[in-house]
Order: sequence, then structure tokens, then C-alpha cells
Amino acid sequence: KQEVTQIPAALSVPEGENLVLNCSFTDSAIYNLQWFRQDPGKGLTSLLLIQSSQREQTSGRLNASLDKSSGRSTLYIAASQPGDSATYLCAVSKAGTALIFGKGTTLSVSS
Amino acid sequence: NAGVTQTPKFRILKIGQSMTLQCTQDMNHNYMYWYRQDPGMGLKLIYYSVGAGITDKGEVPNGYNVSRSTTEDFPLRLELAAPSQTSVYFCASSRTGGDQPQHFGDGTRLSIL
Repeated sequence: KQEVTQIPAALSVPEGENLVLNCSFTDSAIYNLQWFRQDPGKGLTSLLLIQSSQREQTSGRLNASLDKSSGRSTLYIAASQPGDSATYLCAVSKAGTALIFGKGTTLSVSS
Repeated sequence: NAGVTQTPKFRILKIGQSMTLQCTQDMNHNYMYWYRQDPGMGLKLIYYSVGAGITDKGEVPNGYNVSRSTTEDFPLRLELAAPSQTSVYFCASSRTGGDQPQHFGDGTRLSIL
């Protein structure tokens, strides 16, 4: 059974710091991996989607990498801002439909 | 651009009552999903649909039913509500399966007392 783990569960950093969020999964036979952002009381916003054949994806200050063989993904946030404060969720898809989610990393960026 | 719209936003039910959570999307997406999120936990898939008239069970389908009569709508029905169904329910949609991101609604916060 696929399990997704995110470390750390919570992270506090000062504004301007570069940071890395980690995601690991137990079954390397994935179709894709997605990173989402969730603000309190809101739904999820898709940040980046990496297909199984890809190594990384970039969007603005965000860069996500995927190492399928080791079952790991990282989300790198450059020059963090208070507006980046949110919970970040990692999810993997085996068959291209259902997503298996981690519990998330709650990020707090102080000004 | 509404995206995925869920109603109601909040609801309190008594044990044994039933209700329907509504979800509609205006992006002409074929795939739609229902997830639940319990406190401190990741989301778990309840049901999904790959097109009108086609639905399939996810990881936690017991106690729920769905239908997909149109591309736009994917309601989730709770029969005989139980305290274990207290959760936040999210509806999502995607154009196709795995190569497209899923778009989420803002959720329905449901308490069963």
C-alpha cells in the first residue's frame, strides 16, 4: 500500500530564507507527483505537477524535484515571504486518477 | 471564473440524518473526485468519476453514495450520518487523469452530533 510521508510536520523560518520541504513515498511505481498549497479554511491549490518521466518542475520561486527510484521529492522555495505561510501537501498518483496524500508541512514565514 | 463550487460551506447534522453535498465545476472537466480530510491527516479519496454516468470507489467509500448525471455536477450523498463522518469534504476536478492537475473547491465542513 502506497504511503506518503512529509517531513518536517511544521517549519518556521524568517523572511528571505531559502527552504526545502521533503516528501517520501513507499511505492516507486507512480504516475505523477503533485505539490499543493492549502491556506486555512480553504481548498487546495495545485503548485507543481511532475510526471514520472520528469526530474523537476519550476514555477517562479518554486522548484520541485522527483527521484522515483529513491521514492523522494523535494519542494524548494526561494527567498521565502510571509505570504508563503500555508500548509504544503505532497500527493502521488499510481494509476493517473486517485491521489494519495501526505499529511502536509505547515510553513510559517515571519517578517 | 468560478472553478469548482461546493455547497454548503458548513453543516451540522444529527446522527442518522442524511444529506447531499453539492459540487459543480464550470471547466468542462471529465474527471471529478470527492475527498475527506480529517484533522491533522492527509486527504483520502471517497469516490471519483471519469465522466458522466461513470463512478468508482476510492479508499473510503463506506457510508457514501455518488452519481454523475452531467459533466458539471458530482453530488455526494451521506445516508444515516455517523459521528465518524465528521470531516471536511473536498470536491476536485481535472481535465483528464494523471497528466493534469486537480482543481479543488473550498470544502464543506460537516459535523455530525
